[in-house]
Amino acid sequence: GAVVSQHPSRVICKSGTSVKIECRSLDFQATTMFWYRQFPKQSLMLMATSNEGSKATYEQGVEKDKFLINHASLTLSTLTVTSAHPEDSSFYICSAPGLAGGNYNEQFFGPGTRLTVL
Amino acid sequence: AQKVTQAQTEISVVEKEDVTLDCVYETRDTTYYLFWYKQPPSGELVFLIRRNSFDEQNEISGRYSWNFQKSTSSFNFTITASQVVDSAVYFCALSEALDGYQKVTFGTGTKLQVIP
Repeated sequence: GAVVSQHPSRVICKSGTSVKIECRSLDFQATTMFWYRQFPKQSLMLMATSNEGSKATYEQGVEKDKFLINHASLTLSTLTVTSAHPEDSSFYICSAPGLAGGNYNEQFFGPGTRLTVL
Repeated sequence: AQKVTQAQTEISVVEKEDVTLDCVYETRDTTYYLFWYKQPPSGELVFLIRRNSFDEQNEISGRYSWNFQKSTSSFNFTITASQVVDSAVYFCALSEALDGYQKVTFGTGTKLQVIP
């Protein structure tokens, strides 16, 4: 199947700094990518839909100015956590829809990025 | 709005026992997809199965089997002869069409512990 990579896999930063997480579709193009956040022992919650060439669509309750999303190309979406605080510590996962059975009904997930804010 | 309910938060079984993980979903869409994912301690999601709403055939893959019942909006997952390596969190998920692409909603997950 298609491969989605994330970088970095793990990051530790000080409170107040900004952190950028990259999500790449390695062998297919993705005009849409999704960003999820998963707190410890909880489910994955959709944060936003990243759209190539246009603004991201954020889910209710997600701060647009805090979680900046840029979908610069057909294979790359970035999530920047601005002025990170300890409560932003979480596991961030991206996904991209890909072809399966003739429709874009398969989600390919990245391996995730574990962010720890001290 | 769509919703996925996994009522079992944690399950412990002894190795070689069979175990069924329950999943109940809600959606207004007539066309949708259901998924099961495994998340081991490493965190990476492992895709197990995708089922579309028009295919109610049960599926078996090795020790894994899935029972899709549209009448009860359930998509249950059974592991036969469980093994320690099956210990993980399992998520049931539902996707809806969004401008031609699928937006996925996850259940809260069931943590399975297989005791040797």
